[in-house]
Amino acid sequence: DTEVTQTPKHLVMGMTNKKSLKCEQHMGHRAMYWYKQKAKKPPELMFVYSYEKLSINESVPSRFSPECPNSSLLNLHLHALQPEDSALYLCASSRGAGAGEREQYFGPGTRLTVT
Amino acid sequence: AQSVTQLGSHVSVSEGALVLLRCNYSSSVPPYLFWYVQYPNQGLQLLLKYTSAATLVKGINGFEAEFKKSETSFHLTKPSAHMSDAAEYFCAVSPRGGTGFQKLVFGTGTRLLVSP
Repeated sequence: DTEVTQTPKHLVMGMTNKKSLKCEQHMGHRAMYWYKQKAKKPPELMFVYSYEKLSINESVPSRFSPECPNSSLLNLHLHALQPEDSALYLCASSRGAGAGEREQYFGPGTRLTVT
Repeated sequence: AQSVTQLGSHVSVSEGALVLLRCNYSSSVPPYLFWYVQYPNQGLQLLLKYTSAATLVKGINGFEAEFKKSETSFHLTKPSAHMSDAAEYFCAVSPRGGTGFQKLVFGTGTRLLVSP
C-alpha cells in the first residue's frame, strides 16, 4: 500500500477563519512533508517532519502551523490566511530522510481557496 | 546547489507517437533522479526512479528513462503515446549522500498534450 490520504479535498475559508488540513499514511514512513503548489508551478516545500520532529521550516509564515501527532498523521493548521495562500496543498511521505530513503509518495492534495 | 532543468514547458504529440520529455541535472556527483506525473487536480504520482542499479529504468504506464552521466540527463520516453498520458510531468533530484535532510528539487514541469 503506497497510499497517502488527505482531507478535505476542497476547502474554502475566509481570512478570519481557523481550519486544519489532515494527512495520513500507513506505510511506516518516518518522514512526512507539506508542500504548497500554485497553478502551473512545481510543488514548493513548506515543512518536513522526521521521526515526528520538525526538521525543516522553509521560512513559512506563522499563519501556517504544522503538527505531527504521531508517525502516521500530519496536520497543517491554518489561521488568518491571505488570498495569495490559495493553492493546492500536498502532503508526502518517505521511508526516511537519509540517502536511499528519499523516494516520496504524495497524497491527492487539498485545494484551498481563501476568500 | 542541485538544480534540474526541463526543456520545453509544453510538448505536443499525436496519439501513438513517441513521447520524449527532457531532464538535465547539474551536479558533479550523479544524484538520485525521479520522474513524477500529475493529472489535473491530483497529487504527484511516482513514475520511476534512478538510484544507480541500472541506467535504463522502467516505470509504470509504459514509461522508461535512461540515465546518461556524460550528458547529465535523465530523459523520459514512451514508445507510443495514449490520450490518458496527457498530464504534467516533473523531473526531480535528490543529492546522493550528505548528512541531514536533503530536499527533493523539482524541475519546472512539462505539460504533455496528446492529440487524437
